[in-house]
Amino acid sequence: EVQLVESGGGLVQPGGSLRLSCAASGFTFSSYEMNWVRQAPGKGLEWVSYISSSGSTIYYADSVKGRFTISRDNAKNSLYLQMNSLRAEDTAVYYCARVFGDGGSLDYWGQGTLVTVSS
Amino acid sequence: SYVLTQPPSVSVAPGQTARITCGGNNIGSKSVHWYQQKPGQAPVLVVYDDSDRPSGIPERFSGSNSGNTATLTISRVEAGDEADYYCQVWDSSSDHYVFGTGTKVTVL
Repeated sequence: EVQLVESGGGLVQPGGSLRLSCAASGFTFSSYEMNWVRQAPGKGLEWVSYISSSGSTIYYADSVKGRFTISRDNAKNSLYLQMNSLRAEDTAVYYCARVFGDGGSLDYWGQGTLVTVSS
Repeated sequence: SYVLTQPPSVSVAPGQTARITCGGNNIGSKSVHWYQQKPGQAPVLVVYDDSDRPSGIPERFSGSNSGNTATLTISRVEAGDEADYYCQVWDSSSDHYVFGTGTKVTVL
């Protein structure tokens, strides 16, 4: 069974940092591209970042570029999101999601981890 | 940047058909994917590559895509279909994933 489990969320002050993790199981993690997607309270889905299966290709949403860093450790079946210079508008539930096929759909999602940026 | 526009809400009676549109510039040239999200839950992929269904998704869910509009159709709507629905594409010109604005489906 495919499982994605996020962790690392919590309350952080503006300007602070946080590192999210996503533990993958039930599939060959090193063969799949991955994404982070977030959802602010009461709002829609917003794509955050993409990483290729090897980690060699990375993309970011304009809203987080230069502040967030995506990475992966295929030996540990884990995906990460390092978030620096956090702002109130980064408050959201953060999901990791697996890419399916060439069309870019996201077929499995974790349950999400809540990040709250507030003083 | 590429924008996907959805109606904020769609209301439908049980047993009837709900159609949710997703508008984007020449969206017919892209692969469109649809997600269902119920309150407090993660999104679930219900249609991918315009019209394919993942295993376990009922045949009542179907999709189409042409011109500037993609459509998710839910036939024989059930109370359990009440949820938010999002379309999504990969925009190769910006190397960005893009989500639609979301549509809340209410079953009357």
